[in-house]
Amino acid sequence: DGGITQSPKYLFRKEGQNVTLSCEQNLNHDAMYWYRQDPGQGLRLIYYSQIVNDFQKGDIAEGYSVSREKKESFPLTVTSAQKNPTAFYLCASSDPGQNTEAFFGQGTRLTVV
Amino acid sequence: RKEVEQDPGPFNVPEGATVAFNCTYSNSASQSFFWYRQDCRKEPKLLMSVYSSGNEDGRFTAQLNRASQYISLLIRDSKLSDSATYLCVVNTDSWGKFQFGAGTQVVVTP
Repeated sequence: DGGITQSPKYLFRKEGQNVTLSCEQNLNHDAMYWYRQDPGQGLRLIYYSQIVNDFQKGDIAEGYSVSREKKESFPLTVTSAQKNPTAFYLCASSDPGQNTEAFFGQGTRLTVV
Repeated sequence: RKEVEQDPGPFNVPEGATVAFNCTYSNSASQSFFWYRQDCRKEPKLLMSVYSSGNEDGRFTAQLNRASQYISLLIRDSKLSDSATYLCVVNTDSWGKFQFGAGTQVVVTP
């Protein structure tokens, strides 16, 4: 079955630590995205990538980093510089072009302890 | 001003009733429009795309009004399983840089 896999589902981080969230897709999509969702709020774009070895900052990139070394993979690192990292993180992918929807992974719930 | 705005609700709907709600967007160059459904603590899932001529999928009807820059979703014969948050999503360019509304919560009651 084609889809997007995020891991882990739940992640606990101590303050001051970097953590990396995994996102893998086998849909052969060129574009991949990372969003953050806080309670009662919409999804906010952290980073997106349109092609391998290229990525762009979204609306809230500070404190995050990404890489896109393979088409299938788009890991997100939450660094210690992110002041309020506790949130629900969603990875998505899509094909370029009009009227093509985004497909989401199951999300990673990150909690700082 | 947010790019995509929705009434957060909740819309409390008796089972079997009809509910409708809108979403407004600010970028007149927006190209694609979608409604997603999100259940509590889960990922969003595509409910339906919204086409210029309006479209229907079973009990769900979506409309697009480009002149007034809003899209709407109507749910007929509401089921208990329709209880969820409905996200309005607008695509502002061909590379799928999606903008999400904060969602409208629908609660269907017996």
